[in-house]
Amino acid sequence: AQKITQTQPGMFVQEKEAVTLDCTYDTSDPSYGLFWYKQPSSGEMIFLIYQGSYDQQNATEGRYSLNFQKARKSANLVISASQLGDSAMYFCAMRPHYNTDKLIFGTGTRLQVFP
Amino acid sequence: EPEVTQTPSHQVTQMGQEVILRCVPISNHLYFYWYRQILGQKVEFLVSFYNNEISEKSEIFDDQFSVERPDGSNFTLKIRSTKLEDSAMYFCASSEPGGNQPQHFGDGTRLSIL
Repeated sequence: AQKITQTQPGMFVQEKEAVTLDCTYDTSDPSYGLFWYKQPSSGEMIFLIYQGSYDQQNATEGRYSLNFQKARKSANLVISASQLGDSAMYFCAMRPHYNTDKLIFGTGTRLQVFP
Repeated sequence: EPEVTQTPSHQVTQMGQEVILRCVPISNHLYFYWYRQILGQKVEFLVSFYNNEISEKSEIFDDQFSVERPDGSNFTLKIRSTKLEDSAMYFCASSEPGGNQPQHFGDGTRLSIL
């Protein structure tokens, strides 16, 4: 079954610390893509980072990096040097194979950054 | 930076009425999508659209729903005979071709059915 699992409904982190948001996925296709999106309280969905199943290196985008462990089927998001503005819902999503356009989303993790 | 624009931001409609949600995708994007997010739940795929036709749809996207690209810039989702359970945030997204291309989302339209 094609599925994304985010087991942390909520996470707290102190400003300037790093935080890891967990994501595991399930797909039987070898060609897939993994995405992370941020949803602030205002509701919009902001693309953060992408990892392809064949990418050899872990993706990085500024303070965001993706800890991709293919054998474990995990794609955890690491946010370094957390800022108050990072407080939001974070969704992991998967394009389960390259013949589909749809993204399958996880249930999300609410991150709260405190001073 | 180019962005996906959705109107209206909030739509309130009586049950049984028809509603049209509008989207202007990013101009050089060729793939368009609609997703919905019922309050407190995860985002669900509804439909994808390419080359003026539906390329994929979910089981949610039944005969009540339709999509259209009426001109070169707009992309619409029509919901006929709305039901209470259609209340949700509806997101439009667009992307460039390629499996590694991210889908860029609009700010969403909150649809409330009374």
